[in-house]
Amino acid sequence: GEDVEQSLFLSVREGDSSVINCTYTDSSSTYLYWYKQEPGAGLQLLTYIFSNMDMKQDQRLTVLLNKKDKHLSLRIADTQTGDSAIYFCAESIYGGYNKLIFGAGTRLAVHP
Amino acid sequence: GAVVSQHPSWVICKSGTSVKIECRSLDFQATTMFWYRQFPKQSLMLMATSNEGSKATYEQGVEKDKFLINHASLTLSTLTVTSAHPEDSSFYICSASSADTQYFGPGTRLTVL
Repeated sequence: GEDVEQSLFLSVREGDSSVINCTYTDSSSTYLYWYKQEPGAGLQLLTYIFSNMDMKQDQRLTVLLNKKDKHLSLRIADTQTGDSAIYFCAESIYGGYNKLIFGAGTRLAVHP
Repeated sequence: GAVVSQHPSWVICKSGTSVKIECRSLDFQATTMFWYRQFPKQSLMLMATSNEGSKATYEQGVEKDKFLINHASLTLSTLTVTSAHPEDSSFYICSASSADTQYFGPGTRLTVL
């Protein structure tokens, strides 16, 4: 079945890089997403990658995809206190018109 | 672009009353919208898929007569929680589809007393 797993918590020092990991089970997944949720708010789309890509970079964000191992990671360079939030990994077979399968979310805490 | 709004942002109601939550795509048309429910410190649980002009598709275990969904236009979907009870208290989030992804609203916190 469909399943997405993430580690639940990550603590980093301000200015360091953060790496949030995610694994998924559905090899049919063609879209893989990273969303950010701040307390009491909805989900903000950070970035997404197609399954035929290995890497995508967008400013401080780098997404790496290992399709063979079904492993996705999000690297945040120069992590700031404003990056403290919950980060959700999600996958979809048909993109936006199909339901997203979410991981449990990784709580990122950035400390001075 | 790709802004989705929800109204209200929070609501408190008495047990037994009905509550309507609106989800609007402000700058794009969405033939498909989704309704999710999120419990504290948990992930999002898909409740139903809302398609413009047709009946919603509910996930297993979600009561369609309790959670009424209407998608009357390409920019508006509504979720009505009928005869609300304290166990319906939750954070409800909608999303609107584009070709590649879903854009999420800010959420509505429902508290049933």
